[in-house]
Amino acid sequence: QQPVQSPQAVILREGEDAVINCSSSKALYSVHWYRQKHGEAPVFLMILLKGGEQKGHEKISASFNEKKQQSSLYLTASQLSYSGTYFCGPYLLISSGSARQLTFGSGTQLTVLP
Amino acid sequence: DAGVIQSPRHEVTEMGQEVTLRCKLISGHNSLFWYRQTMMRGLELLIYFNNNVPIDDSGMPEDRFSAKMPNASFSTLKIQPSEPRDSAVYFCASSLQGVDGYTFGSGTRLTVV
Repeated sequence: QQPVQSPQAVILREGEDAVINCSSSKALYSVHWYRQKHGEAPVFLMILLKGGEQKGHEKISASFNEKKQQSSLYLTASQLSYSGTYFCGPYLLISSGSARQLTFGSGTQLTVLP
Repeated sequence: DAGVIQSPRHEVTEMGQEVTLRCKLISGHNSLFWYRQTMMRGLELLIYFNNNVPIDDSGMPEDRFSAKMPNASFSTLKIQPSEPRDSAVYFCASSLQGVDGYTFGSGTRLTVV
């Protein structure tokens, strides 16, 4: 039931853009995105609660398509500080109408070079 | 706010010993999550609590693992007996109502030799 993230790794030059995708085989209630730097704890970036919703944080934004059971994270004009591993963490929608925390995706390692 | 506080930061123990990891939630948060992170398996959800009640412990690997929340601000994760394959970084995280963003503690790096 682990969500699938792609790509597994990406290397960028400062100022370039990147897209990280997260897809689930199960219906989603919402999606979280986190960034983890080496040796540190994951840090919350944003949560998307509604289908089609887009949110932004600095030059990082995300979309959530509940019909496709997918979410994408967009990093615009990347900065050196964006380097790290990005995780999506979907909430699974279960039949009783309540949401259940799903484990995190395998992560996408993003490296931004000067 | 001091954030989510975990202790110890590092733990090295011998196989067969009991290990207890501790977590203090952010004041006002009512959901508590324990995760384990390894290179092979990534970030795995072990168990989570809402309002001190365990909601889902399906991620707990085996009976050697147990977690408690004796009050609204504190939780423990115990491994007894510990095995080398338990070596990992263990994170706890807290949130408000379980659907807001999670705040993670700094983690406990456990090494079982």
